Amino acid sequence: GQNIDQPTEMTATEGAIVQINCTYQTSGFNGLFWYQQHAGEAPTFLSYNVLDGLEEKGRFSSFLSRSKGYSYLLLKELQMKDSASYLCAVIDSNYQLIWGAGTKLIIKP
Amino acid sequence: SAVISQKPSRDICQRGTSLTIQCQVDSQVTMMFWYRQQPGQSLTLIATANQGSEATYESGFVIDKFPISRPNLTFSTLTVSNMSPEDSSIYLCSIPAENFGYEQYFGPGTRLTVT
Repeated sequence: GQNIDQPTEMTATEGAIVQINCTYQTSGFNGLFWYQQHAGEAPTFLSYNVLDGLEEKGRFSSFLSRSKGYSYLLLKELQMKDSASYLCAVIDSNYQLIWGAGTKLIIKP
Repeated sequence: SAVISQKPSRDICQRGTSLTIQCQVDSQVTMMFWYRQQPGQSLTLIATANQGSEATYESGFVIDKFPISRPNLTFSTLTVSNMSPEDSSIYLCSIPAENFGYEQYFGPGTRLTVT
């Protein structure tokens, strides 16, 4: 079966750095997304990785290792508004999007 | 990016009734997706709706329970039929991003509670 694992919940302090991990086992791989979802709102696109390595976009970076079936989202200089759920999603060999359950990130002052 | 609206934003419904959720996009799109997100769960694709053809349902979802209409390129409806408390969920429509089809833009969602 297809499986994407993320921690259910993480807590971090304002101004700090947090890394949210995602491991996947899917039938094929054609890319990986990270989405942010604030409570009661729609998911919004954060990043896309298809090649190994780090993609940096401001305070957010996303890393991919295809051989390990592993990705992480790195958030720097955390702000209270970063409190949200972070969803990992993989495009499989049939070009279907497979979604993780999301990681709820709680930021404390 | 496209602007997607959904109606209603939330509803509380009685067991055994049906609710139709509307999704409106401010641009023409070929494909629209309907998802369900149960509390604490991942997004689950219900069906893909292409204008002018029958919707394609994912495993575990059937047309009798979740009939979908797609009358034009900017609009779609999803009906949740004969509801039970297990149907309590957030229902989201989405469209592919115009620059990269595997990225998706999501509507704000409809929060459904069935009592």
